[in-house]
Amino acid sequence: GAVVSQHPSWVICKSGTSVKIECRSLDFQATTMFWYRQFPKQSLMLMATSNEGSKATYEQGVEKDKFLINHASLTLSTLTVTSAHPEDSSFYICSARDLLGQGYNEQFFGPGTRLTVL
Amino acid sequence: EDKVVQSPLSLVVHEGDTVTLNCSYEVTNFRSLLWYKQEKKAPTFLFMLTSSGIEKKSGRLSSILDKKELFSILNITATQTGDSAIYLCAVQDSGTYKYIFGTGTRLKVLA
Repeated sequence: GAVVSQHPSWVICKSGTSVKIECRSLDFQATTMFWYRQFPKQSLMLMATSNEGSKATYEQGVEKDKFLINHASLTLSTLTVTSAHPEDSSFYICSARDLLGQGYNEQFFGPGTRLTVL
Repeated sequence: EDKVVQSPLSLVVHEGDTVTLNCSYEVTNFRSLLWYKQEKKAPTFLFMLTSSGIEKKSGRLSSILDKKELFSILNITATQTGDSAIYLCAVQDSGTYKYIFGTGTRLKVLA
């Protein structure tokens, strides 16, 4: 149980285009999902907290208009990188809290999406 | 500002060695401390620690938390090449449930 999937697993796009990344909790409901970014040889940096049915909460320094987050259901959150530029190239990882499961305090991580912007 | 610091940043050992990885934290609203192992993809869960002084063990890995001194250690005994990875420490905020990740320790185990 407690499986989180991400799609796509990798994507290459041209500068100026928008890219959508999906995060799904497959076997549990997640009212809260988190989006992280990881640059090479660095740790995970929290970008935003995604709450089902309400607006996302962004961390300081993260542009909400550039990284659009939608959490339309208890099992799906999407991150859209708008007008992507090469400096947005990174590994994007989502996680989800299992609201009702035994791991109530634990986040379950998706496999990540590697974005390369040319 | 909340922060989590890990040391060393990187470590190279030989198979069979024992390693100790450190994680210290300054987090206002502490809920739990977690250890993860990251290879090519997303982190995989190792331990969650909430109480001081209680060792958690899984095979050759063990971890303990000291809430008075605000640190945790992760021990790996009889290291194997498959232990080569980045080990991440995270502290969960009790109000927001956010994870604050440390810098990570890059471990390389040589055959």
